[in-house]
Amino acid sequence: DQQVKQNSPSLSVQEGRISILNCDYTNSMFDYFLWYKKYPAEGPTFLISISSIKDKNEDGRFTVFLNKSAKHLSLHIVPSQPGDSAVYFCAASSSNTGKLIFGQGTTLQVKP
Amino acid sequence: GAVVSQHPSRVICKSGTSVKIECRSLDFQATTMFWYRQFPKQSLMLMATSNEGSKATYEQGVEKDKFLINHASLTLSTLTVTSAHPEDSSFYICSAPVPHGETQYFGPGTRLLVL
Repeated sequence: DQQVKQNSPSLSVQEGRISILNCDYTNSMFDYFLWYKKYPAEGPTFLISISSIKDKNEDGRFTVFLNKSAKHLSLHIVPSQPGDSAVYFCAASSSNTGKLIFGQGTTLQVKP
Repeated sequence: GAVVSQHPSRVICKSGTSVKIECRSLDFQATTMFWYRQFPKQSLMLMATSNEGSKATYEQGVEKDKFLINHASLTLSTLTVTSAHPEDSSFYICSAPVPHGETQYFGPGTRLLVL
């Protein structure tokens, strides 16, 4: 049972354009959502998060949007840079367990 | 800033041997740590929650007798893969919750290859 899904395994965008990574979840108990960036053979690095009481959180070039009714969140990167090329994981947690449940990941390639 | 370290970063072992992986929180204490496993091109799968001073809690489908977890102190959790087999070859990652926060710090991971 995949509670967190990233249906796009890969995404390719041109440098300077917007990258939009999507994530869907099924468990309504999730109340905190996070995006991580990961390079091969390294641990994930935290990017940005959002609480379920908000619908948008922005940090520099990164913005996360949350649509609770649709159980959907997205990460926007603008402008995209070649250094953003990596695997992006969305993760969800519920405050009563603290456990992170990860999606399958989306490989982003930003072309110069 | 706070960091989580793992040792070793890479290990190759023969089938049937046991391998211990250490996860340490640096500059902060962690009463809880998490262990994940990632197969190539797949998601990070939570294996178990390591609890300082008490037994670990394992996710469904994870054999507790095969993946022994010990949280001996507030800064150290160990995962021992017992009687390793080639199918245990994977990337093992630990994490610790950020103090007073909602996110987790992740270790750099340990690549295990069982021959």
